[in-house]
Amino acid sequence: SQQGEEDPQALSIQEGENATMNCSYKTSINNLQWYRQNSGRGLVHLILIRSNEREKHSGRLRVTLDTSKKSSSLLITASRAADTASYFCATDGRGSARQLTFGSGTQLTVLP
Amino acid sequence: KAGVTQTPRYLIKTRGQQVTLSCSPISGHRSVSWYQQTPGQGLQFLFEYFSETQRNKGNFPGRFSGRQFSNSRSEMNVSTLELGDSALYLCASSLAAGSDQPQHFGDGTRLSIL
Repeated sequence: SQQGEEDPQALSIQEGENATMNCSYKTSINNLQWYRQNSGRGLVHLILIRSNEREKHSGRLRVTLDTSKKSSSLLITASRAADTASYFCATDGRGSARQLTFGSGTQLTVLP
Repeated sequence: KAGVTQTPRYLIKTRGQQVTLSCSPISGHRSVSWYQQTPGQGLQFLFEYFSETQRNKGNFPGRFSGRQFSNSRSEMNVSTLELGDSALYLCASSLAAGSDQPQHFGDGTRLSIL
């Protein structure tokens, strides 16, 4: 079963614009990770934010985490056509040995 | 450093057959996890292996099994294939087991059941 739900399911923007994707989850977590998947390829790890962190940056990526609302957001600034991909959040719930639960994903299209 | 390698990339089988998929993790990585990805169910965890031991298993029937070898390479096996087993099977490796380890994915094996 999927714990996370991404919103929106699909997003289309122009190159240079910012893209924001949201993720909501249901149970308490140890950490939350974001991954990118290009069509027909495997997933690429983008960033991990721990449950005691509120914000994290990596290059053009900014991730926030609100554990009280059980939600996270991924912001990609100054988007490029190469950012076109599906983006997934994944949670690793407290108490679980090691089971990443992925959301349903946001399909981002960046138009040149 | 070579990434996670999965073989074969594509596979076509018929109902009732069995299949074995292979995964070679990044050198030095000892944890290997398997996931099934379908358009309807999304990404679902199958199982995780660390030091040749299965540490965790997802909610899949016993037809799905796996193992890990001493060199950390892993295989998963699906017996008595059903049409619903058509999916992209992804393998991921990490340095160690644990919830704070980023996972490194291979490009998957696309399995089609006729």
